[in-house]
Amino acid sequence: GESVGLHLPTLSVQEGDNSIINCAYSNSASDYFIWYKQESGKGPQFIIDIRSNMDKRQGQRVTVLLNKTVKHLSLQIAATQPGDSAVYFCAESPEDSSYKLIFGSGTRLLVRP
Amino acid sequence: GAVVSQHPSRVICKSGTSVKIECRSLDFQATTMFWYRQFPKKSLMLMATSNEGSKATYEQGVEKDKFLINHASLTLSTLTVTSAHPEDSSFYICSARDAGGANTGELFFGEGSRLTVL
Repeated sequence: GESVGLHLPTLSVQEGDNSIINCAYSNSASDYFIWYKQESGKGPQFIIDIRSNMDKRQGQRVTVLLNKTVKHLSLQIAATQPGDSAVYFCAESPEDSSYKLIFGSGTRLLVRP
Repeated sequence: GAVVSQHPSRVICKSGTSVKIECRSLDFQATTMFWYRQFPKKSLMLMATSNEGSKATYEQGVEKDKFLINHASLTLSTLTVTSAHPEDSSFYICSARDAGGANTGELFFGEGSRLTVL
């Protein structure tokens, strides 16, 4: 389930199931989007990116979907593993921003064994 | 892959002292580096863009005299928290943009520096 409020929204999934993490971005002019994974006490780790001229991109076990109409981004993780447990952030790069990234609020993914 | 190193990874200081955090690109040149701040259970907040050989560009609401940024070489940017106070305690993260080579335009993040001000 999900929880909101003072804590990060949390998505709890069973090991082996697929996970879908959602993100709403703010700037309709943003043309580059990235998903990052952050483990406790560490810096963000690149997962997958997508440009605004695409609506879907696949990597190894991960897929990013972009819906520019509603400014929505999602990350799908197939066959979720315990090592996927972390906080996931989407980030957008406003057009002509010289790669400046604006991060979303994040979602904590908990994988139940 | 490209590596960005931050030092120190953890620092504890007394209120009123200044603390310097280094961000180094180890195997690539970075004309642009970014400094972020992250509070517990919160997202990364962009503080400033560090440009090699010129002044940093600060985001709205970030005090430039409080958070001094120097980008003196293509591989090093420093963030100095001046006259630190307990409310400055946070996780500071840098990222560096690879200006050339196979990873042109990609951003690489450091592992972060946790500052605790007593």
